[in-house]
Amino acid sequence: GENVEQHPSTLSVQEGDSAVIKCTYSDSASNYFPWYKQELGKRPQLIIDIRSNVGEKKDQRIAVTLNKTAKHFSLHITETQPEDSAVYFCAASIDKMRFGAGTRLTVKP
Amino acid sequence: NAGVTQTPKFQVLKTGQSMTLQCAQDMNHNSMYWYRQDPGMGLRLIYYSASEGTTDKGEVPNGYNVSRLNKREFSLRLESAAPSQTSVYFCASSPTANYGYTFGSGTRLTVV
Repeated sequence: GENVEQHPSTLSVQEGDSAVIKCTYSDSASNYFPWYKQELGKRPQLIIDIRSNVGEKKDQRIAVTLNKTAKHFSLHITETQPEDSAVYFCAASIDKMRFGAGTRLTVKP
Repeated sequence: NAGVTQTPKFQVLKTGQSMTLQCAQDMNHNSMYWYRQDPGMGLRLIYYSASEGTTDKGEVPNGYNVSRLNKREFSLRLESAAPSQTSVYFCASSPTANYGYTFGSGTRLTVV
C-alpha cells in the first residue's frame, strides 16, 4: 500500500521567514495530494491540495509543488505569522488517503 | 450547516467494555472515514465507506467494526476495548474518493 514520509518532524522559524515541509510517497498511482493544518486540540482542516496533472498551486501565502517523477511534494509558507503555528499533515491518495506523520511548525514572534 | 458531527467528545472505558462512536454528516457526501490519531503517528485509517452500503478495512482495523447506517451516518464500534485503543478518533467525509476531507471534532477515548 501507499507509504507517505514527511520531513521535518519539527520546524521552528522566525516570524516573517519562510517554511518548507517535504513529503515523499511510494505509490506512483497516487493522484491527489492535500495538506491539512491542525491547531492544538482542534480538528485537521484542509488548507491546500494539488492533483497529479498540476505541478504547482498557490493560495496567498501558501503554495504546494509536486514532482511526480521523484514522487515528492512540498508545502511552502511565506511571510510566516504566529498564527501559522500548528501541526501540518501531508497526504497522498488513490482511493483513500494515507497521511504523513506530521510537522510541528512553531513561528516565533 | 453542522458539517461532520461526532459523539461523544470524551469517553473513559474499562478494559473489556464496548462502545459505539457516532458520526453524522449533513453535506450529502458519499464517502466517510474513521481515523485514529496517536502522538507521532499521524492519522491512521481504521475503516472507510466509499459509498452507502459499502465498507472496507483500512490500515488498522483489528478490534473495530463499522456500520454505514445510511448516507449520513457512519458508526465505529469497539466490541472489547483494550488500552492500546486509547487514542483520539476522527470521523471524516468527502464528496467522493480523492477529494478533501471534512473532519469531525474528534472523540478522545481513554481505556483503563
